[in-house]
Amino acid sequence: KQEVTQIPAALSVPEGENLVLNCSFTDSAIYNLQWFRQDPGKGLTSLLLIQSSQREQTSGRLNASLDKSSGRSTLYIAASQPGDSATYLCAESTQGGSEKLVFGKGTKLTVNP
Amino acid sequence: DGGITQSPKYLFRKEGQNVTLSCEQNLNHDAMYWYRQDPGQGLRLIYYSQIVNDFQKGDIAEGYSVSREKKESFPLTVTSAQKNPTAFYLCASSTRDRNYGYTFGSGTRLTVV
Repeated sequence: KQEVTQIPAALSVPEGENLVLNCSFTDSAIYNLQWFRQDPGKGLTSLLLIQSSQREQTSGRLNASLDKSSGRSTLYIAASQPGDSATYLCAESTQGGSEKLVFGKGTKLTVNP
Repeated sequence: DGGITQSPKYLFRKEGQNVTLSCEQNLNHDAMYWYRQDPGQGLRLIYYSQIVNDFQKGDIAEGYSVSREKKESFPLTVTSAQKNPTAFYLCASSTRDRNYGYTFGSGTRLTVV
């Protein structure tokens, strides 16, 4: 069964700290790995997408890596800010990409001023 | 700007009623999806459609129905057969041109009264 696990479930850090969110997946036939942000009561905002042929992607203060051999992805957030507080979700797609994403349950991040 | 519009934002259903959630996109994406989000359970796939006039069941399709008569529209009907419909419903779309990166709508919160 295809599963995606995110650890930790919640994380609280002081402003300015660099942090890493972890994501592990069981299906090695990965098509892509996507990271999203969700604010309370809102939809999901796409942050980064890593194709199976790539090792990492960067956008501003965010960097996501992909290691297919170990079934892991990490989201690195540099110089965290209170506005980064949200739930971060990772999701894996397989089978050509268009069929479905399997989501982890998310990491709830709180950045304290 | 292109995007996905879900309506209504909040919906209340009486016992035994069918209700329809709207999802419209102007992104010219071929694939569309419906997910359900419950606290502590993450996002679960209800139905998806890769092309007009075709759709497939996801992991939790029982008690739901969909149609895909137009590329832009993918409405979801929650039938009276769905015994626990209270949840946050998210619609998404994707396209091969963007490596099947997902774009999400802002969601509909359905409550049974």
